[in-house]
Amino acid sequence: NAGVTQTPKFQVLKTGQSMTLQCAQDMNHEYMSWYRQDPGMGLRLIHYSVGAGITDQGEVPNGYNVSRSTTEDFPLRLLSAAPSQTSVYFCASSYDVASLSYEQYFGPGTRLTVT
Amino acid sequence: AQKVTQAQTEISVVEKEDVTLDCVYETRDTTYYLFWYKQPPSGELVFLIRRNSFDEQNEISGRYSWNFQKSTSSFNFTITASQVVDSAVYFCALSESSAGSARQLTFGSGTQLTVLP
Repeated sequence: NAGVTQTPKFQVLKTGQSMTLQCAQDMNHEYMSWYRQDPGMGLRLIHYSVGAGITDQGEVPNGYNVSRSTTEDFPLRLLSAAPSQTSVYFCASSYDVASLSYEQYFGPGTRLTVT
Repeated sequence: AQKVTQAQTEISVVEKEDVTLDCVYETRDTTYYLFWYKQPPSGELVFLIRRNSFDEQNEISGRYSWNFQKSTSSFNFTITASQVVDSAVYFCALSESSAGSARQLTFGSGTQLTVLP
């Protein structure tokens, strides 16, 4: 199993550009999520999904869109990049949808810089 | 709303010293789960332990041990005889389990542990 994969690993955008961060998992997990990590702030949840066709907002959803057309894929779209979105982005998946009682498996991260 | 506080931003110890990382949480749920993750300098997040709110037994895994105390809402992590390879950022996290609670994991801000040779 590849686990959770993310592409790209690094990305530089100009303000106003849009892009999609890709995330895929091969563990048949129903729960998937996107976090951003900023210095001194831990990881903050952007959006999450409890299954194909079902998504919901997390703590910091503004400026981001998600969709979940398949169990495997959960892309994160930046609509119009801003310098405040410079961050490291992690995708994660988990077996347990009902209670998140199981650990989340994290991808390797995408380091995004917006100039 | 759930909240996790890791008051120690940075800790520096000399190899072979014991070190304890503090984690204090807030939740209104009676059923919840606590986690510790490690983020080494390479950047990936590594799961260390999960504990549910009904199990207050302390756990030991090699040089790692965890102390869960509901009375003080704390879930502290101790590394015994620290090694340079333990240098990393350590995150404590919380998820709630009641019906209607958000399906999300709330992280603390992390503690940067540096173990000096």
